[in-house]
Amino acid sequence: KQEVTQIPAALSVPEGENLVLNCSFTDSAIYNLQWFRQDPGKGLTSLLLIQSSQREQTSGRLNASLDKSSGRSTLYIAASQPGDSATYLCAVRGETSYDKVIFGPGTSLSVIP
Amino acid sequence: DGGITQSPKYLFRKEGQNVTLSCEQNLNHDAMYWYRQDPGQGLRLIYYSQIVNDFQKGDIAEGYSVSREKKESFPLTVTSAQKNPTAFYLCASSIAVRGGQPQHFGDGTRLSIL
Repeated sequence: KQEVTQIPAALSVPEGENLVLNCSFTDSAIYNLQWFRQDPGKGLTSLLLIQSSQREQTSGRLNASLDKSSGRSTLYIAASQPGDSATYLCAVRGETSYDKVIFGPGTSLSVIP
Repeated sequence: DGGITQSPKYLFRKEGQNVTLSCEQNLNHDAMYWYRQDPGQGLRLIYYSQIVNDFQKGDIAEGYSVSREKKESFPLTVTSAQKNPTAFYLCASSIAVRGGQPQHFGDGTRLSIL
């Protein structure tokens, strides 16, 4: 059974710092992995989607990498800003495009001005 | 603007009462989903629907029911059989269940017990 974990559960950094958020999954047979942002009391906003054949995806100051064999993904945020404060969740889809999505519990990020 | 609308934003349930959460999308997506989010846990799938008049149980369907009479709408009923309904409920949609398409989310409904 696929399990997704994210450590740490919470992270506080000063503004301007580069940071890395971690996502681990137990079954390496995945179809894709997605990173989401969730603001308090809101739904999820998709940030990056990495297909199983890809190693990384970039969007602006965000870079997500995927290492299927080790069951890990990282989300790199460059030059963090207070507006980046939110909870970041990763989610993996099972081996086929038909499989359901399993979500991690998220990392709560606070960027201090 | 296309998107997913969930209502109400906050909902309170009395003992023995059924309540219905609304989810409407204008993205022309075939697939719709209901998730439950509890503090410190990932989202858990309650029900999903691939097409009108079709829906499937997710991992935690007990105490919940859904209908899909229109493509745009996928309401969730939390019945009195759900003994621990306090949670944040999120509705999502995607072009299809197949194809690994990304899911788009509404802003959620927070349900509490009176």
